[in-house]
Amino acid sequence: ETGVTQTPRHLVMGMTNKKSLKCEQHLGHNAMYWYKQSAKKPLELMFVYSLEERVENNSVPSRFSPECPNSSHLFLHLHTLQPEDSALYLCASSQGDRGLDSPLHFGNGTRLTVT
Amino acid sequence: QKEVEQNSGPLSVPEGAIASLNCTYSDRGSQSFFWYRQYSGKSPELIMFIYSNGDKEDGRFTAQLNKASQYVSLLIRDSQPSDSATYLCAVRNTNAGKSTFGDGTTLTVKP
Repeated sequence: ETGVTQTPRHLVMGMTNKKSLKCEQHLGHNAMYWYKQSAKKPLELMFVYSLEERVENNSVPSRFSPECPNSSHLFLHLHTLQPEDSALYLCASSQGDRGLDSPLHFGNGTRLTVT
Repeated sequence: QKEVEQNSGPLSVPEGAIASLNCTYSDRGSQSFFWYRQYSGKSPELIMFIYSNGDKEDGRFTAQLNKASQYVSLLIRDSQPSDSATYLCAVRNTNAGKSTFGDGTTLTVKP
């Protein structure tokens, strides 16, 4: 399998549930990202990991908890979410001489609905 | 003022015409500029990236960057109905550790 794969594709969860989103990249990249895309809003960067170290955290609420066990895998752990957290969550990776300035390769996303 | 602003859409052009998509940014420290295309219900995919002032051409696509004016554009020549999508401008300032996307411009190419 090539590219960036995300699971699950769709997720419906209650506000008291705990769930995790998974992302795997098969491109040999050294940086991975979580983005949130809500309707009528621009893509919002949530977290960046470079060489498995978190390098950016854009004031994301603590109910979102990222984990990067190695350079190929990225998780987003979710707990006690709110209905306004319903959105498309996109994972991306990048690699190149320019490191974090290299273009992003996106996964297909997880469509999350919080009820 | 938004950090990255794109021309308000939707933009509609006839097949074969040139589509012009514009983007301005406020962070003068921005170093890298990207254009992504996103079809409805799909994830964004890279169209072009540009790091230096001037033009960069790739097939029917040309990216133009003017750092002094804080302006980046994407021209699509000989537009095709398959080019109909939302185009996202992204700007990165590595020193500040910041990546910002615009709201996107929806383009419709009419046969």
